[in-house]
Amino acid sequence: EDQVTQSPEALRLQEGESSSLNCSYTVSGLRGLFWYRQDPGKGPEFLFTLYSAGEEKEKERLKATLTKKESFLHITAPKPEDSATYLCAVTLSGGSYIPTFGRGTSLIVHP
Amino acid sequence: NAGVMQNPRHLVRRRGQEARLRCSPMKGHSHVYWYRQLPEEGLKFMVYLQKENIIDESGMPKERFSAEFPKEGPSILRIQQVVRGDSAAYFCASSPFFQGFQGDTDTQYFGPGTRLTVL
Repeated sequence: EDQVTQSPEALRLQEGESSSLNCSYTVSGLRGLFWYRQDPGKGPEFLFTLYSAGEEKEKERLKATLTKKESFLHITAPKPEDSATYLCAVTLSGGSYIPTFGRGTSLIVHP
Repeated sequence: NAGVMQNPRHLVRRRGQEARLRCSPMKGHSHVYWYRQLPEEGLKFMVYLQKENIIDESGMPKERFSAEFPKEGPSILRIQQVVRGDSAAYFCASSPFFQGFQGDTDTQYFGPGTRLTVL
């Protein structure tokens, strides 16, 4: 049973068209939630770590938020260079420190 | 500050040969993790190591796969007698401290990966 579900699987946007990616988790006792960006043929690049419901973090056009059941990655006025696969991962409290990854959302931003 | 380094970036092996994948963690990081990624699948955890210790190998196949992180030198993921199903991208990640504390010590930083192709 998947503990981390990302939606949508794929998303196509026009440049400047803001949208959100979702990461929902069914684990109990969340320790941390992580967002990564992965370009084709490359390793995941760290974006954000969130620990508490209500927490928000921003970086350029990206903003990550966390609730008790899900996280959103908001992309404001995206550019073609934001095209990538965005991965979400969670770790559990109580000693489980190995992150479980979702399958990712493939984002394509058209100029 | 160099990031996580992996080599080789691409590796081609014939069935039955051995594959050795190397990972040098970021400077100051003492924890190494190996993952496998198949097309259309997420990152799958394989093994977690500290220097000279395997901490968690719950994701590692019981046969043909082994990993080490010696006192000196890079971490090595070894696959013996490779089969076509071993073809995948293998990623290494590192973090600075034992994951008992929140903060940046929880975050794993990934290398560029090794793409293994088994003919």
